[in-house]
Amino acid sequence: GAGVSQTPSNKVTEKGKYVELRCDPISGHTALYWYRQSLGQGPEFLIYFQGTGAADDSGLPNDRFFAVRPEGSVSTLKIQRTERGDSAVYLCASSSGVGLTYNEQFFGPGTRLTVL
Amino acid sequence: AQKITQTQPGMFVQEKEAVTLDCTYDTSDPSYGLFWYKQPSSGEMIFLIYQGSYDQQNATEGRYSLNFQKARKSANLVISASQLGDSAMYFCAMREISSNYKLTFGKGTLLTVNP
Repeated sequence: GAGVSQTPSNKVTEKGKYVELRCDPISGHTALYWYRQSLGQGPEFLIYFQGTGAADDSGLPNDRFFAVRPEGSVSTLKIQRTERGDSAVYLCASSSGVGLTYNEQFFGPGTRLTVL
Repeated sequence: AQKITQTQPGMFVQEKEAVTLDCTYDTSDPSYGLFWYKQPSSGEMIFLIYQGSYDQQNATEGRYSLNFQKARKSANLVISASQLGDSAMYFCAMREISSNYKLTFGKGTLLTVNP
């Protein structure tokens, strides 16, 4: 079966532009997470969806970042007025539930965002 | 305080030998899970092994084992019989019940396996 997919794989944009990053989770997975991985660092949590709602958006760095998951499957991370500091790999992960601490998160290949 | 600390930025090991990657964690949650992920140069995050805070025995998955010392708050990854394909970044991560099950990652250890 298909894993988590993310598009585009690479995105180069100019400072001040708007970008959208897409995540297709594993079919049937209700939980979806976005992480950001800067060079030489571990992934950092951005936002978590359970179904259609954002259950925890405490990791979003500021109000330029927004994410949606309108039908409970595909999610889009939206970044307005991009800054050079937004350059990173954006990872999406999904899991089948959150009832237990053990609930493996399956990661997508990531989108590498470069802001010039 | 850092929730996950990986003190080894880089490690080297000879092929076929065993290597231990260190991880210490900090939490006050009574229930939590510890994970190790491998990230090759291609970038994907590959789940390796999981240890629950209430698990009595150390987790094992093939050549991977987790040396879990709860009192010391450490969860070291042991890779036995290293292979050239094991060369990658390795991340320790924790999931706490109080944090909506998000993963908190350490900074990683770059493992290089020498032939």
